[in-house]
Amino acid sequence: GQQLNQSPQSMFIQEGEDVSMNCTSSSIFNTWLWYKQEPGEGPVLLIALYKAGELTSNGRLTAQFGITRKDSFLNISASIPSDVGIYFCAGLGGATNKLIFGTGTLLAVQP
Amino acid sequence: DAGVIQSPRHEVTEMGQEVTLRCKPISGHNSLFWYRQTMMRGLELLIYFNNNVPIDDSGMPEDRFSAKMPNASFSTLKIQPSEPRDSAVYFCASSPELPRAQYFGPGTRLLVL
Repeated sequence: GQQLNQSPQSMFIQEGEDVSMNCTSSSIFNTWLWYKQEPGEGPVLLIALYKAGELTSNGRLTAQFGITRKDSFLNISASIPSDVGIYFCAGLGGATNKLIFGTGTLLAVQP
Repeated sequence: DAGVIQSPRHEVTEMGQEVTLRCKPISGHNSLFWYRQTMMRGLELLIYFNNNVPIDDSGMPEDRFSAKMPNASFSTLKIQPSEPRDSAVYFCASSPELPRAQYFGPGTRLLVL
């Protein structure tokens, strides 16, 4: 199925570093969502964005809905070991109401 | 508040057997989604319901797959007969309204031998 372009594919960082990842699409979306998935679990919603230009924070996480409605980024500040997991972006738009997922960013944090 | 509940969490079965996966959405949510996740294809939407009515089942792989939502608090995904290529993690998700964020359950890990 269709997937969004998400980068980077993986990141290996030291505890305390900041992290940035982004998603781009050739299509316009009305909603951008960011999820985190840990091994053996389902995706957990981190941040939901519903308006172009919107900047939303959730603790150490900040995400923005791009002005063009074709991209979004997620920043994690001062990473900690429990931030380890796969982060997915997802876009929702058009008449289908189907979530289109990014390919995922694997984040590993070295204590 | 309870999240999306799925059962069983793990299922191991033999090829040809019927498999039934169950989902209880978050109370008050009007939309329910079934997804399949594999390494090769990522998360794929199989079918979704709005107010218990199937809206889009274009992602259902073939006639061996069927889904029902008899009421607002319960849905099933059935595979009959199951095949080894059906092995995957199946997620159920619910949403308070469309188009809004979807909340995922913990998934059912299916292995068909």
